[in-house]
Amino acid sequence: DGGITQSPKYLFRKEGQNVTLSCEQNLNHDAMYWYRQDPGQGLRLIYYSQIVNDFQKGDIAEGYSVSREKKESFPLTVTSAQKNPTAFYLCASTSSWGTGPQSPLHFGNGTRLTVT
Amino acid sequence: SQELEQSPQSLIVQEGKNLTINCTSSKTLYGLYWYKQKYGEGLIFLMMLQKGGEEKSHEKITAKLDEKKQQSSLHITASQPSHAGIYLCGADQKGSSNTGKLIFGQGTTLQVKP
Repeated sequence: DGGITQSPKYLFRKEGQNVTLSCEQNLNHDAMYWYRQDPGQGLRLIYYSQIVNDFQKGDIAEGYSVSREKKESFPLTVTSAQKNPTAFYLCASTSSWGTGPQSPLHFGNGTRLTVT
Repeated sequence: SQELEQSPQSLIVQEGKNLTINCTSSKTLYGLYWYKQKYGEGLIFLMMLQKGGEEKSHEKITAKLDEKKQQSSLHITASQPSHAGIYLCGADQKGSSNTGKLIFGQGTTLQVKP
């Protein structure tokens, strides 16, 4: 079955360390997204990529970095510059963007990152 | 910028009761998505609404977009424990564009008591 796989499910890191969250999809979707979820705040967009080798900052990109070397993969690095990294991180993808018909985002099961 | 406000923030209902969750936008909605989330898991797509007055149903869940396209409601009939979770509405940041960059409401947490 096609879907989005995020790993690991739980991640613990010491303050000051960079950490990379994995996101892999086998849906053949061009566009991929990273969201952050905090209690009572809904989801906020960190970075997105609409094509391989290209990505754009979202609303809260500071302290994060991404790469998109393959269509299937969109890893997110949480750097030591991110002031409040503890959160639930969700990766998503969609088959259609731009002038095409609207289509929903498909989400992975998330990675819960705890930084102490 | 566009904002989505959900109400209520949380809801506790007895099994078998009906309930409604609202999502109000500060700007006209060109596409409104409803998702469900179990705690600690990803979002599951429920329904997408695009036209004013549109109504869609899936099993016991009905979603509507008002004629003015600034408010949507999600109605659950005869609630069951399996309906428990967090319900989120989302809309494209660019309004009529299709960017996939969604903004979300803060979510409504639903508990269903057996």
